Amino acid sequence: KQEVTQIPAALSVPEGENLVLNCSFTDSAIYNLQWFRQDPGKGLTSLLLIQSSQREQTSGRLNASLDKSSGRSTLYIAASQPGDSATYLCAVSVLTQGGSEKLVFGKGTKLTVNP
Amino acid sequence: GAGVSQSPSNKVTEKGKDVELRCDPISGHTALYWYRQSLGQGLEFLIYFQGNSAPDKSGLPSDRFSAERTGGSVSTLTIQRTQQEDSAVYLCASSLVAGLGRHEQYFGPGTRLTVT
Repeated sequence: KQEVTQIPAALSVPEGENLVLNCSFTDSAIYNLQWFRQDPGKGLTSLLLIQSSQREQTSGRLNASLDKSSGRSTLYIAASQPGDSATYLCAVSVLTQGGSEKLVFGKGTKLTVNP
Repeated sequence: GAGVSQSPSNKVTEKGKDVELRCDPISGHTALYWYRQSLGQGLEFLIYFQGNSAPDKSGLPSDRFSAERTGGSVSTLTIQRTQQEDSAVYLCASSLVAGLGRHEQYFGPGTRLTVT
């Protein structure tokens, strides 16, 4: 059974700092890995998707890496801003028992960027 | 363009009542997913629809849960005889499908269900 773990559970940093969020998964049989952010009381916003054959993806100040063989991904946020404060969720796409696809999520890292 | 929409945004119901939650996916997205986010369990998969194919119900927690997708678009998740442990945020997502895992899933804002 696929399990996704995110460390740390919470992180508080001063504005302007570069930071890394970690995600690990137990089974390397994944189709892709997605990073999402979730603001309080809101749905999920997709940040980056890395296909299983890729090593990294970049979007603006965000960079995500994937090492499928070791079951690890990192999300790097450069020059953090107070608007980056949110919960960041990592999810891997896997085959379901019914033969389709689903996302398996970690429990998230709650990030607070202090002005 | 419009994203995934869900209604209602909040629903409070008494234990034992039935509830229906609605999801409107992004136009043109053939895949639709339901997930549940609860305090103890995090986010978990419930059901998957792809076009007119039979749904993948492998994530449904009990036979009190069912879902339909009419005309390959709007979906309704029904929970019968609600229990307090059904209290959670129910999230819907949609994606384009051109092979497993090819496309990202786009999520709606969710329906917060509270069973009293």
